[in-house]
Amino acid sequence: GAVVSQHPSWVICKSGTSVKIECRSLDFQATTMFWYRQFPKQSLMLMATSNEGSKATYEQGVEKDKFLINHASLTLSTLTVTSAHPEDSSFYICSAPRGETEAFFGQGTRLTVV
Amino acid sequence: GQNIDQPTEMTATEGAIVQINCTYQTSGFNGLFWYQQHAGEAPTFLSYNVLDGLEEKGRFSSFLSRSKGYSYLLLKELQMKDSASYLCAVMDSNYQLIWGAGTKLIIKP
Repeated sequence: GAVVSQHPSWVICKSGTSVKIECRSLDFQATTMFWYRQFPKQSLMLMATSNEGSKATYEQGVEKDKFLINHASLTLSTLTVTSAHPEDSSFYICSAPRGETEAFFGQGTRLTVV
Repeated sequence: GQNIDQPTEMTATEGAIVQINCTYQTSGFNGLFWYQQHAGEAPTFLSYNVLDGLEEKGRFSSFLSRSKGYSYLLLKELQMKDSASYLCAVMDSNYQLIWGAGTKLIIKP
């Protein structure tokens, strides 16, 4: 079964609104979670590293004020896309490492901004 | 810089064997992962290699040579459902996954 749960699996929102995506580790604690974005036919692009109890680390070119990340507990990280625009439409995926040898992914969230 | 290379697309016949290669140059090495990704879905874990050699899991096997910065994923007895993208990813010294662009595998009857 899934060890990382991501919700929602898909969402349609209007331009200018905000959308929150949740990522939960189900049977282990994750002090670190990773948020990725995937454009069609492209590889996963790391957006940011979410750290429990401290600020997220954003990759170059990712707007931290637009993509708000909160790692509220050892099992939950959230990504909020603020003031969404059609160009933000994409597939967002979270990942949580377990120990040093495993990395599990959420089911992904397909965001469509209309 | 960090770089992962794998072929863009491969075609194989149902029932046959296919090998998908992956070469990498990264800042540190904490293991290499292979994932399968069907269109519109999140990647699913296939294998993890951190030591040199071959790891076999049913129809799938993965090989690693750290000195050569090289890995391959071997798929045997191909089935139509194996049509997917196969992603090679290396965990670097900061435990972040560096991704290849993926290999689209097309299985023909």
